[in-house]
Amino acid sequence: EIVLTQSPGTLSLSPGERATLSCRASQSVNYSYLAWYQQKPGQAPRLLIYGTSIRATGIPDRFSGSGSGTDFTLTISGLVPDDFAVYYCQRYDMSPRGYTFGQGTLLEIK
Amino acid sequence: QVTLRESGPALVKPTQTLTLTCTFSGFSLTTSGMCVSWIRQPPGKAPEWLARIDWDDEKFYSTSLDTRLTISKDTSKNQVVLTLANMDPVDTGTYYCAQILVGLRSAFDTWGQGTMVTVSS
Repeated sequence: EIVLTQSPGTLSLSPGERATLSCRASQSVNYSYLAWYQQKPGQAPRLLIYGTSIRATGIPDRFSGSGSGTDFTLTISGLVPDDFAVYYCQRYDMSPRGYTFGQGTLLEIK
Repeated sequence: QVTLRESGPALVKPTQTLTLTCTFSGFSLTTSGMCVSWIRQPPGKAPEWLARIDWDDEKFYSTSLDTRLTISKDTSKNQVVLTLANMDPVDTGTYYCAQILVGLRSAFDTWGQGTMVTVSS
């Protein structure tokens, strides 16, 4: 079973700064099958990025995804107050068919 | 516009079977490529995928829970039903249904608001 490990656990930054969030897989992940979500308290997760680097509908271009193999990154350029939330990476496995989430990174205001 | 809404009991007793219903609009599960999943999230923890049902009635389950899970659909009502047998306090959490990303089927595109389920005697 592929495990996703996100780092750091908590990231403290100020508005306007750049956030770099990491997601490391225990085995290689098909780049088409890696996604990122944002979750705010009391809300459902929201899809930000799929296919490693494709922004979902309505997602601002300050969100970008990159990576390959076992190392993937979500970058948020020019943080705004609305961006402070928990972020999860997620992978899709074809055999057996299933979905796995990382444990999350809390992005908090410094 | 795609919307999904979960419904079901807020409180269940240990050993009981949980039955949740996802009612959706904006798409049809008779359309090729459409899929709906259930995901749960214990308080303060990461989401956990549970099950998926496809337009062609193919079903997939979490390997760690597959003996307890059943997913089904009623296309006439635009509903997907999940049952989880033999509930335990560790099953407490928010249960979401979500539309799977059309095409790649690799992510959860649109989510319901979730329904909180507590397991306690």
